[in-house]
Amino acid sequence: QQQVKQSPQSLIVQKGGISIINCAYENTAFDYFPWYQQFPGKGPALLIAIRPDVSEKKEGRFTISFNKSAKQFSLHIMDSQPGDSATYFCALYFQTISNTGKLIFGQGTTLQVKP
Amino acid sequence: TAGITQAPTSQILAAGRSMTLRCTQDMRHNAMYWYRQDLGLGLRLIHYSNTAGTTGKGEVPDGYSVSRANTDDFPLTLASAVPSQTSVYFCASSDRGQGVSPLHFGNGTRLTVT
Repeated sequence: QQQVKQSPQSLIVQKGGISIINCAYENTAFDYFPWYQQFPGKGPALLIAIRPDVSEKKEGRFTISFNKSAKQFSLHIMDSQPGDSATYFCALYFQTISNTGKLIFGQGTTLQVKP
Repeated sequence: TAGITQAPTSQILAAGRSMTLRCTQDMRHNAMYWYRQDLGLGLRLIHYSNTAGTTGKGEVPDGYSVSRANTDDFPLTLASAVPSQTSVYFCASSDRGQGVSPLHFGNGTRLTVT
C-alpha cells in the first residue's frame, strides 16, 4: 500500500529562520504533490502544489522541491513568521492499478515559529 | 462566505448511538469527500462522491455510510458509534477531482464517542 512518510512530526523555529518539512514516498508514478496548511480550529487549505515534471516551485516565502531519485519532496519556508505557525500536510496523487485516482496525505507537521 | 459548512461543530456521542454529520457546499463542485484526522495519522479518506448520485469507499470506510442526493449535500452517518471513531471529521469538495483541482475543506466536526 502506498504511503507517505512526513517528518518531522513537530518543529520549532525562531522568527526569521528556515522551516523545512520533508515527505518521502515509496513508489514512482505520481501526478501531483500538493501541500496543505491548517490553522487551529480550521480545515486544511491548499498552500502550494507541484507536478513531477518540475523540480522546484516558489511562491513568495514558500518553496517546494522534488527529488525524484531520492523519492522525496520538501517544503521550505524562508524567513519564517509567527503567522506561519500551523500544521502542514504533504500529499501525493497517483493512479492506482485499477486506473482510479487516489490522494494520500502525510502524517502532518506542527510548526511553531517563536517571535 | 462561499465554501463548505459542517454541522455540528462538536459532539459527544454514547457508544452504540447513531449520528449524521452534515456537510453542505455552495460552490457547485462535483466531487465531495469525507476525511477523518487523527494525530500522527494525518488525513484519511472515509468516503467520496465524484458526482451527485454516486459514492465510493475510501481508505477507512467501515462503520460509516454516505449519500449524495444532490450536488450540495454530502452527509456522513455513523450507524452505531464506537470509541475508535473519536476523531475530527472534515468534509471537502473539489471542482474536477483530487488530482486536478484543490480540495476545499470545511472547519470540521470534533466527535467524541464515549
